[in-house]
Amino acid sequence: GDSVTQMEGPVTLSEEAFLTINCTYTATGYPSLFWYVQYPGEGLQLLLKATKADDKGSNKGFEATYRKETTSFHLEKGSVQVSDSAVYFCALGYNFNKFYFGSGTKLNVKP
Amino acid sequence: GAVVSQHPSRVICKSGTSVKIECRSLDFQATTMFWYRQFPKQSLMLMATSNEGSKATYEQGVEKDKFLINHASLTLSTLTVTSAHPEDSSFYICSARPETGGNTEAFFGQGTRLTVV
Repeated sequence: GDSVTQMEGPVTLSEEAFLTINCTYTATGYPSLFWYVQYPGEGLQLLLKATKADDKGSNKGFEATYRKETTSFHLEKGSVQVSDSAVYFCALGYNFNKFYFGSGTKLNVKP
Repeated sequence: GAVVSQHPSRVICKSGTSVKIECRSLDFQATTMFWYRQFPKQSLMLMATSNEGSKATYEQGVEKDKFLINHASLTLSTLTVTSAHPEDSSFYICSARPETGGNTEAFFGQGTRLTVV
């Protein structure tokens, strides 16, 4: 079946450090891949998405590339800020309906 | 962007009681809403698909008599955890997608932390 595995957290970085959060997936069809972010007290917000192999999603300095050969969708950012502290969820889905999520990775960025 | 409001954000209840969680789409209509549950250090798992005006569709292993879903209008779905037990303690979150056709984004509520004591 479909599933998503992402690295466990928490991840603690200093401001301006490079971020990578690993995500791999198993899919029965041809899903889109997503990264969602959840700030304290708020709902999940779409951070970026990629709809097919080799697509790169990007937003707010974050990037992720849909790699079919390695079944991965790793999230990266070159220079994190304190305001990036949140929980990040990798997910796959079909037509924005049923999603399969990873367990979430908490990111703490220290000044 | 569109907003999905979930209430309450936190609730503590006694074993054997029932708890209702509301999910509202504030500025769009949603024929379909989704309910997810997350146990500590595990993935968000889809529990059920809530369909306006008809019965919910439950995922395998989810007890439909325990997790009652009502989707009475195009902007409101409710999840009632009946006869709650400590093992039902979890994080519950809903999502909805505007009925505008095409591949539109899904929006999530802020989640409800349920603790059964």
